[in-house]
Amino acid sequence: GAVVSQHPSWVICKSGTSVKIECRSLDFQATTMFWYRQFPKQSLMLMATSNEGSKATYEQGVEKDKFLINHASLTLSTLTVTSAHPEDSSFYICSGAGGRVADTQYFGPGTRLTVL
Amino acid sequence: DAKTTQPTSMDCAEGRAANLPCNHSTISGNEYVYWYRQIHSQGPQYIIHGLKNNETNEMASLIITEDRKSSTLILPHATLRDTAVYYCIVRVQGGGADGLTFGKGTHLIIQP
Repeated sequence: GAVVSQHPSWVICKSGTSVKIECRSLDFQATTMFWYRQFPKQSLMLMATSNEGSKATYEQGVEKDKFLINHASLTLSTLTVTSAHPEDSSFYICSGAGGRVADTQYFGPGTRLTVL
Repeated sequence: DAKTTQPTSMDCAEGRAANLPCNHSTISGNEYVYWYRQIHSQGPQYIIHGLKNNETNEMASLIITEDRKSSTLILPHATLRDTAVYYCIVRVQGGGADGLTFGKGTHLIIQP
């Protein structure tokens, strides 16, 4: 398998502030990284896809100015939730694929965001 | 990617084999069957994938019917830690550049 980490595992912030979530591939080079969101009792929904060194591609309905994604290296992608509001509270999960694991996505443990 | 259909929930006794079915009747010739599972409040975990031959690894076995319209994931000796939502996903291999589409999956509950 392959290992993906996320930091932080949970975060609580005030409405209007920004929050950054890091996603790292620990033992492979993630050419492509993905960000998903999961609301309670629902399935994962793809938010965006990012390729190293390129701009992210966002799914329909996901605001690119609100969810800033940076994929500056083959092992690190960040998701910044800008001006967070309570409706942004969710479970954010990243995954990576590439290098020796080109055909299979490996997921991070997720980050629980709570916006007060 | 082809659509998949899974039962909403299943129970299995601890120590027994858990057999999780998945229907994918519109699967294309170049699409693989992938299985992931998600334990509560964790990220999905990759289990296994296959094209047409049966596959086995340290976690599970994947049985794909000859017409490839359905498959079964087998956990040979289920433990309480196997309680999770199991997702069957059909996609083109080499599609590492494409995000996954998760359905509702099967909530497998292992009973002591």
